[in-house]
Amino acid sequence: DQQVKQNSPSLSVQEGRISILNCDYTNSMFDYFLWYKKYPAEGPTFLISISSIKDKNEDGRFTVFLNKSAKHLSLHIVPSQPGDSAVYFCAAATGTASKLTFGTGTRLQVTL
Amino acid sequence: ETGVTQTPRHLVMGMTNKKSLKCEQHLGHNAMYWYKQSAKKPLELMFVYNFKEQTENNSVPSRFSPECPNSSHLFLHLHTLQPEDSALYLCASSPLTTRILNNEQFFGPGTRLTVL
Repeated sequence: DQQVKQNSPSLSVQEGRISILNCDYTNSMFDYFLWYKKYPAEGPTFLISISSIKDKNEDGRFTVFLNKSAKHLSLHIVPSQPGDSAVYFCAAATGTASKLTFGTGTRLQVTL
Repeated sequence: ETGVTQTPRHLVMGMTNKKSLKCEQHLGHNAMYWYKQSAKKPLELMFVYNFKEQTENNSVPSRFSPECPNSSHLFLHLHTLQPEDSALYLCASSPLTTRILNNEQFFGPGTRLTVL
């Protein structure tokens, strides 16, 4: 049973527009969430994170929103750039543990 | 070399072979991890090492045998694998494992393993 779900395997967005990637989780013990980005032939790289005490965290063009009651988080990228084309993984953890539980990823394609 | 490196990048092996995957981190971290990523599945944590000691084994079959001789090196020894073990094997490191908060993991590029 997948505890972290990314239901959209792919997303295509025009350059300059907003990209919204979604993630749902089922384990109410999760209290820390991360987004990783992966280019082909490279390992995932950390992008942004959010603790459950917050509902929003912003870093430049990237903003993560957390809705605890809905067990849902989303990553907003605005404006989207062609270099953002990659696979984005959502991950969750309990703050006191070392284990990350990942989603299956969403492939983002930013078109010109 | 910087970051987390993995060798080989690609490996094809038969079911009776014995091979090893190597991971090295140049970040001064104390924790290292092995993950498996199969097609259309999420990354699955396999093992965690903290200060060279194994702290987590996520019910991994014994045909996968990890080794961590020091905080910078991690190996995954493979023997009598099955075709369903074909996957991308990723190594990661982090400063420490006691708390995931503010403790992001840095990943290597992975080894693409094919078992015939």
